[in-house]
Amino acid sequence: NAGVTQTPKFQVLKTGQSMTLQCAQDMNHEYMSWYRQDPGMGLRLIHYSVGAGITDQGEVPNGYNVSRSTTEDFPLRLLSAAPSQTSVYFCASSYSGQRAGAFFGQGTRLTVV
Amino acid sequence: EDQVTQSPEALRLQEGESSSLNCSYTVSGLRGLFWYRQDPGKGPEFLFTLYSAGEEKEKERLKATLTKKESFLHITAPKPEDSATYLCAVQAGSNYQLIWGAGTKLIIKP
Repeated sequence: NAGVTQTPKFQVLKTGQSMTLQCAQDMNHEYMSWYRQDPGMGLRLIHYSVGAGITDQGEVPNGYNVSRSTTEDFPLRLLSAAPSQTSVYFCASSYSGQRAGAFFGQGTRLTVV
Repeated sequence: EDQVTQSPEALRLQEGESSSLNCSYTVSGLRGLFWYRQDPGKGPEFLFTLYSAGEEKEKERLKATLTKKESFLHITAPKPEDSATYLCAVQAGSNYQLIWGAGTKLIIKP
């Protein structure tokens, strides 16, 4: 079992560029989510999905888009990168309700210059 | 406003020196409290879920407890490999979203 796979691991973007962070899970989990982690702060939810075709906004959705066309994949798109989006991004998946805990990917460290 | 606060921010212990990490929360309608471990450069790893006051869970040298206002993660006779950042998160209300604390960085010196 690969678990949750995120790519790329590192990325540097110029202000205004767009890109997609990839996330795939092989555990048939219904619930998937994207977080950003910044120093001194808790993980903040960007977007989440409770199943294929269903997505919703989290705490900090501005500047990001998501889609969920399959159960396995949940890509995060940065529309026009800004320095404020410099962060570490984590994708997570879990069974519905998350009560058994979530599985996280290894993270993508993004720097916007 | 729902809030989760972890203390201390950092904790340095000698190997074998037991201690506790704190996670205090103010939320409406607690559904569950979660503890995760995060190693540098990696994603969080799930440890425990606690659902109601008085509940306790154990795993090796770790024991998590829950009251109506806070949770403690007790570490007994820690080893250097227990060094990590420990994250607390709370699930509350009618949705499944988690509210995360900023974490406690634990360093165990040999």
